[in-house]
Parts: sequence; structure tokens; C-alpha cells
Amino acid sequence: EVQLVESGGGLVQPGGSLRLSCAASGFTFSSYSMNWVRQAPGKGLEWVSYISHTGRTMYYADSVKGRFTISRDDAKNSLFLQMNSLGDEDTALYYCTRDDGFCTNTNCYRWWPYWGQGTLVTVSS
Amino acid sequence: AIRMTQSPSSFSASTGDRVTITCRASQGISSYLAWYQQKPGKAPKLLIYAASTLQSGVPSRFSGSGSGTEFTLTINWLQSEDFATYYCQQYDSYPYTFGQGTNLEIK
Repeated sequence: EVQLVESGGGLVQPGGSLRLSCAASGFTFSSYSMNWVRQAPGKGLEWVSYISHTGRTMYYADSVKGRFTISRDDAKNSLFLQMNSLGDEDTALYYCTRDDGFCTNTNCYRWWPYWGQGTLVTVSS
Repeated sequence: AIRMTQSPSSFSASTGDRVTITCRASQGISSYLAWYQQKPGKAPKLLIYAASTLQSGVPSRFSGSGSGTEFTLTINWLQSEDFATYYCQQYDSYPYTFGQGTNLEIK
């Protein structure tokens, strides 16, 4: 059974940093690209970041570019999100997701059948 | 970024009803669209991908259609467990973007 378990959330002051983790099990982690998706309280879903299965390709939402860094450790079956310079707008429940999909010669197309339960990040003084 | 717009944002229906939610993309996305269902306090659940392919385990009363810029999610014979928030999401190009959500409530 595929399982994704996030951790590392908490209360942090504006301008502070936090590192989120996502522990994966039930599948060959190194074969799959992964994402972080967040949801502010009472709001909709926002994709945050993507990392390829090789770890060589990363994408970020404009709202976090330059502040957040996604990474992975295949030996530990873990995904990470280093978050720096946090602001009120980063307060959200952060989910990790596993990609499914396919690639053509020119592009890849991915959807998310597996989500963790989320870890809550609260930025407040 | 591709903007996804859902309508309606919320509405009320009764069990047994047939409901349709519309999602429009600001530019063509072929069939690279997914639908998710989210219940309070839970992670989103994938219902449909490739605009019309039902995810394994999802009841057949859910169906999706459309391509290009206009898409629909239809739920036939609404059940009590279907009252939730629904999101469309495009995966044609990064940044992947979601619609604002449609909150389906019990009448």
C-alpha cells in the first residue's frame, strides 16, 4: 500500500525557516517524481514544487521561487521541502504527492493519485 | 500561468440528483485535466484524469468530459458521501494550476 507521511510543520515566526519531510513507503520511491502542494486555511489548492525521479529537475511556483528548495533522499525514501524567509502567505497545510503519468518525446503529463495527510505550517509572530 | 475557472463556486443539491460542474481553462490544455474531491479535514482524492478516465476504485456515477478549454464533471445519482468540494486541475504545463473549487452542499 502506498503511504506518504509528512512531518516537520509547526509554528514559525515571519522570516524564519522550516524543513518539511515526507516519508514514502509501499512503492519504489526512486522511480517516481514527487510534488508539494499546499492549502491555506479555508482556501483552495496550490501546487508548490516538483522534483523529478532523478532529482535533477525541479520546478517551483512563482510564489515560492528563491525561498523554497525541494530535494529528495532515495536511500531514505524521503522527500523534503526547505522553506526560508517565510511569510504569512505561507501559512498552509502542506501535502506531498506522488506523480503518475506518462512522457512523450517533448513533454510529460502527470496527475496525483497519492497524497499524504498533510503537515500544517503556521507563520505568525 | 494557465488560469482555471470553475462554476458554480457552490450549490446545493439533493441525494439522487444529477449534477454538473464546469471548468474552463484560460488556454487550450488538450485533455490534460484532472478532477479531485476533497472532504473536510481530508486530503484531496483523485477522481478523474485525462479529462475522462476514471481513477481505479472511483464509482461509475462520476464521469468527466471535455477537451481544449471546457470541461465538465458529472455526478449521476448523488449519494450522501458525494457532498464535498471538487477541484479541477490542469497538468498541461507548469505551474500546474487548480480551479478555485466547487462546494457541493446538501439541500
